[in-house]
Amino acid sequence: EAGVAQSPRYKIIEKRQSVAFWCNPISGHATLYWYQQILGQGPKLLIQFQNNGVVDDSQLPKDRFSAERLKGVDSTLKIQPAKLEDSAVYLCASSPLRGRGSNIQYFGAGTRLSVL
Amino acid sequence: GDSVTQMEGPVTLSEEAFLTINCTYTATGYPSLFWYVQYPGEGLQLLLKATKADDKGSNKGFEATYRKETTSFHLEKGSVQVSDSAVYFCALSRGAAGNKLTFGGGTRVLVKP
Repeated sequence: EAGVAQSPRYKIIEKRQSVAFWCNPISGHATLYWYQQILGQGPKLLIQFQNNGVVDDSQLPKDRFSAERLKGVDSTLKIQPAKLEDSAVYLCASSPLRGRGSNIQYFGAGTRLSVL
Repeated sequence: GDSVTQMEGPVTLSEEAFLTINCTYTATGYPSLFWYVQYPGEGLQLLLKATKADDKGSNKGFEATYRKETTSFHLEKGSVQVSDSAVYFCALSRGAAGNKLTFGGGTRVLVKP
């Protein structure tokens, strides 16, 4: 079974530029999460989707961050414009909606963003 | 709100030493508790979990017991190997399946030969 795929693995941009990250969850997983992991800290949830609907986006800085999950499969997270403090690893995770493993999240390798 | 506190690292050990990483949590109700591990250059992987009080999660020689009375979920391994060098995260999720994970700050463990 293929895992959670994320791209790109690394991205370097200048402040005020825009950037987008892509995530392909495990096939059949209805729930998709985006986390932000700042160096030396634990991941923090940005947004959670169930199928193509948003379940929780209370920690998403909506003035600059946006995310979508069209057709309930792939997802894209965008930052526009980027700030220095957005430098972090952006992790995507997915989980099945029900059944065995429904309370386990499976993580991708992440995208490391550096804002200069 | 929910929170997880774990001991700060780095923790440096010799091979075959005993490892303990302390983790305590604050949450209403009965959260599920997890330990995730992040090996160098890789994504987070579930190490073990426990979903109710007194449950013991175990995997790869690691163990942790859900202690409701002390709100703790300490991770232990009796004899570590160099390959156990990684960052370990304690986390909780509350309620039904699909709820977000709240993570601790992570503990870096370095095992020397």
